[in-house]
Amino acid sequence: QKEVEQDPGPLSVPEGAIVSLNCTYSNSAFQYFMWYRQYSRKGPELLMYTYSSGNKEDGRFTAQVDKSSKYISLFIRDSQPSDSATYLCAMSWVGGADGLTFGKGTHLIIQP
Amino acid sequence: DTAVSQTPKYLVTQMGNDKSIKCEQNLGHDTMYWYKQDSKKFLKIMFSYNNKELIINETVPNRFSPKSPDKAHLNLHINSLELGDSAVYFCASSQAQTGETYEQYFGPGTRLTVT
Repeated sequence: QKEVEQDPGPLSVPEGAIVSLNCTYSNSAFQYFMWYRQYSRKGPELLMYTYSSGNKEDGRFTAQVDKSSKYISLFIRDSQPSDSATYLCAMSWVGGADGLTFGKGTHLIIQP
Repeated sequence: DTAVSQTPKYLVTQMGNDKSIKCEQNLGHDTMYWYKQDSKKFLKIMFSYNNKELIINETVPNRFSPKSPDKAHLNLHINSLELGDSAVYFCASSQAQTGETYEQYFGPGTRLTVT
């Protein structure tokens, strides 16, 4: 069983729709959760960062963490064609300068 | 005012050669990382360095060696390149030593092609 599972898509939605992206994980030691956006041939760009369970909102983006279910989500409201990219979830545990464990990414396409 | 920069952006070389990729961050972070993104876009940690000390090394062949001349730089040296080394290599940095934040910021990547 992989540590972090993420549906690779592609996920295609019309402009203006609410997008829901999700990851599940198996390691209960994960405490820090991040979402990155990666455009083609670019580096991952940090979108959201959350610690432990709960919700966090930033503009059109909302990150949600449910540690009891080992499930995290990213919601994008009023989606725009410029949101078309690969979205990567990532997580790490407490205890030092560890690397992140990534999901494989979901390819999102927003249709104009 | 690039936060994390890498050179070169593209690197094409033949099997058996030795090459280096450079990384610099101007964020004042104390920890830097190297990740490998394979052809299926899966990102995997290779190394992290904190205050010039190697912290983790995930089952990476010893042909790969990170070298940090100072806190702002972490270079990646690769000896005897193999076809399977072809990938995109990303450098990242974070202020992780304090334990207060684990946000990592990534560079633009170096696309390595071994022929």
